Amino acid sequence: NAGVTQTPKFRILKIGQSMTLQCAQDMNHNYMYWYRQDPGMGLKLIYYSVGAGITDKGEVPNGYNVSRSTTEDFPLRLELAAPSQTSVYFCASSLGTIQGKAAYEQYFGPGTRLTVT
Amino acid sequence: KNQVEQSPQSLIILEGKNCTLQCNYTVSPFSNLRWYKQDTGRGPVSLTIMTFSENTKSNGRYTATLDADTKQSSLHITASQLSDSASYICVVTILTGGGNKLTFGTGTQLKVEL
Repeated sequence: NAGVTQTPKFRILKIGQSMTLQCAQDMNHNYMYWYRQDPGMGLKLIYYSVGAGITDKGEVPNGYNVSRSTTEDFPLRLELAAPSQTSVYFCASSLGTIQGKAAYEQYFGPGTRLTVT
Repeated sequence: KNQVEQSPQSLIILEGKNCTLQCNYTVSPFSNLRWYKQDTGRGPVSLTIMTFSENTKSNGRYTATLDADTKQSSLHITASQLSDSASYICVVTILTGGGNKLTFGTGTQLKVEL
């Protein structure tokens, strides 16, 4: 299994441009998440999905959109990039939130480093 | 406000030495507590997960403890190696109507030197 994969690894955007960060997992996990990590800060949840066709906002959703058309893929869309969106973005997945420790485990991708100038 | 605070912010130790990292949380209602290791430029990788009823969990040279009464956890690293150099993140989970909600600490940056 490749686990959680993310593309691209790095990207530089100009203010106002748009882009999509790709995330895919091959573990047949129901839950998928997008986080951002700013220097010296803990990871913050942007959006999450509990299954195909279902998405919900996290702590910091403004300026982002997501979709979940398949179990495997969970792309994150930035429509009008702003300098405040400069960050490292992590996608993660987990089996679900049923009772049992295996369900709690979140597996993270390698991250996408985004700079908006 | 639900918070997770870690100390120290950074730590330098010599290879072969032990160290202990601390995590205090105010998250409620508590579901479970996790420790993650994050290498530079990589995503976090889980080390341990503990539920309310567990007070210790080991994973090789890593041993996590949890005191749910005082809302404190620690991660003890034994016989450190150069490859232990990383950020160690404490994460507390609460159960909400929408599922698990994770609150991340800011991490302790550990450097192991020769």
